[in-house]
Formats: sequence, structure tokens, C-alpha cells
Amino acid sequence: DGGITQSPKYLFRKEGQNVTLSCEQNLNHDAMYWYRQDPGQGLRLIYYSQIVNDFQKGDIAEGYSVSREKKESFPLTVTSAQKNPTAFYLCASSIGGGVTEAFFGQGTRLTVV
Amino acid sequence: AQKITQTQPGMFVQEKEAVTLDCTYDTSDQSYGLFWYKQPSSGEMIFLIYQGSYDEQNATEGRYSLNFQKARKSANLVISASQLGDSAMYFCAMIEIYNQGGKLIFGQGTELSVKP
Repeated sequence: DGGITQSPKYLFRKEGQNVTLSCEQNLNHDAMYWYRQDPGQGLRLIYYSQIVNDFQKGDIAEGYSVSREKKESFPLTVTSAQKNPTAFYLCASSIGGGVTEAFFGQGTRLTVV
Repeated sequence: AQKITQTQPGMFVQEKEAVTLDCTYDTSDQSYGLFWYKQPSSGEMIFLIYQGSYDEQNATEGRYSLNFQKARKSANLVISASQLGDSAMYFCAMIEIYNQGGKLIFGQGTELSVKP
């Protein structure tokens, strides 16, 4: 079955540690996105990529980094520079060109302990 | 600048009645797409409906319709015959094709509660 997979579902991190969230899709989509969602809030765009080996900062990129070495993979690293990383992280992908909807993964809930 | 605004943090509707969720947007791009998503308490994002900026007809998908008023830059979601399972967060989203290279942004959301 085609889809977009995020792992892990729950993640705990100690303060000062970097952590990488995985996002894989087998939909052959060109575009991929990372969002952060805080309780009761909307989705804020962290990074997005329209093509392999290229990505752009979203509205809240500070403290995060990404790579797009393969079409199907768009991992997000939450670095120690991110002051308040506890949140729900959602990854999405789409064909590109804005002509169809984006498909979302199930999300990763990150908690800093 | 690209922006999405949802001014209703929470809405209540009686079961079987219709409800309109408001969404306004701001863009200088001529080519863009508008979306509505539903997010139940489980956290998953469920796509509901899409409207392209060049589409002349309002989009409809079952009980969902998008009231697209381009000149007013509004894209309201209408849910007809509300059901208890419609209780969820609803997000309006926009993608700019040219100016922002496919940047997809979301509004703050509206929490809809359907009363029996």
C-alpha cells in the first residue's frame, strides 16, 4: 500500500540532545513538508522540499535541519538549539505544483525530559 | 505575503444542521490552491476538499462544499447535515505555486463541536 510513514510515533529526548525524526513515502511524490503543531494550535511550516537535493526554510526553521538525498525520504533533525522542541511533528508529501492535496503521516510526538 | 486566517476558534452546531467555517487568505500569486483538512482527536490529518484559483465552479465533495469568493479572498467550508463524527479541528490551507515555490501553509484552525 502506498503511503507516508513517520517514525517513531512517540519520542523522548533529554535536553541538549539532537534527535532525528524519520519520514518516508512510497507515493513517488516530489514535494515533502515538515510541520510542528503545539496543543490547540495550527500547523506551522518548518521546512519544505519540492525536489531532491533542494529544500527551503519555512516559517519556524530555527533549531531544525533537514536533508533530501532521496525522493522518498525527508528526515528532520531537531537540534539542541531548538529552545522548546516538545510538540507534535507532522510530515506530508504531495505530487507538487499545488494541484492536488498533501498526504500526511501519522505524526511523531516529541517530548523533552 | 502569503497568509491564511481562520477567525473562529470554536463553533457549535446542532446535529443535522449546516455549518460554515470561515477562511480568508492573502496572496499576490495568481496561481494557488486552497484546501480544507479535518483533524480528529487522534491527530491524523484528513483531506476534505480542494479548490484551484482558476476553478470557476465551487468545489464539492459529498457533504462538503467550498464557497470560493476570489475577489474577497475567502474560501469558506460548508458542511451540510452535520453528524456527531464531524466534531474535530478543521484547518484551511493554501499553496502558492509561483511566488513561494509550492509553500503550503495552514490557518490556526476552528474546533467544531456537533451537539446531539
